[in-house]
Amino acid sequence: AQTIHQWPVAEIKAVGSPLSLGCTIKGKSSPNLYWYWQATGGTLQQLFYSITVGQVESVVQLNLSASRPKDDQFILSTEKLLLSHSGFYLCAWSLPGGDTQYFGPGTRLLVL
Amino acid sequence: AQSVTQPDARVTVSEGASLQLRCKYSYSGTPYLFWYVQYPRQGLQLLLKYYSGDPVVQGVNGFEAEFSKSNSSFHLRKASVHWSDSAVYFCVLSAGTGYQNFYFGKGTSLTVIP
Repeated sequence: AQTIHQWPVAEIKAVGSPLSLGCTIKGKSSPNLYWYWQATGGTLQQLFYSITVGQVESVVQLNLSASRPKDDQFILSTEKLLLSHSGFYLCAWSLPGGDTQYFGPGTRLLVL
Repeated sequence: AQSVTQPDARVTVSEGASLQLRCKYSYSGTPYLFWYVQYPRQGLQLLLKYYSGDPVVQGVNGFEAEFSKSNSSFHLRKASVHWSDSAVYFCVLSAGTGYQNFYFGKGTSLTVIP
């Protein structure tokens, strides 16, 4: 069975500090991967997607970057956090060319 | 620009009553539409999806949705709700080819009261 893990579960960080959020998918090879972000009271916005290792497409610019160092791993990062980065981050996967997304449990980030 | 609007942030219905959750989308191309549900303390799960053909699509747990091109809508319905249907429901649009770009509505929080 496929599983999707996100880490950390929650984080409190200072403005200007670096950030790294991770997502791992087990049990499925070469999935499409997605990062989403939701500000408090806002809509889930797609940030990035990746269809293969080393290839990441940006959808929304939020001074964040993403990388896919391994087939089953998707990393979201920034060197300098802003207050506006606070919110809820969701990772999702789908089959190659597939329409149904499977979501992780998410990471809550508070930037102070 | 593509967008999805769910006009009702919160809906409360009595158990056994019928339900309609509204969704309007904005997209000039062929829309691929989804409803996802998030139960308390769980991740988002697919309820149903629409590509083409019969405008009424069936989903899990007795849910169905009706696509209307003329109204740019994709409303979710259920004939008789159960307390376990209490959750947040998201309408989602996939625009373009390859299912690579997705647009979410803000979600509707459904509370079913006994």
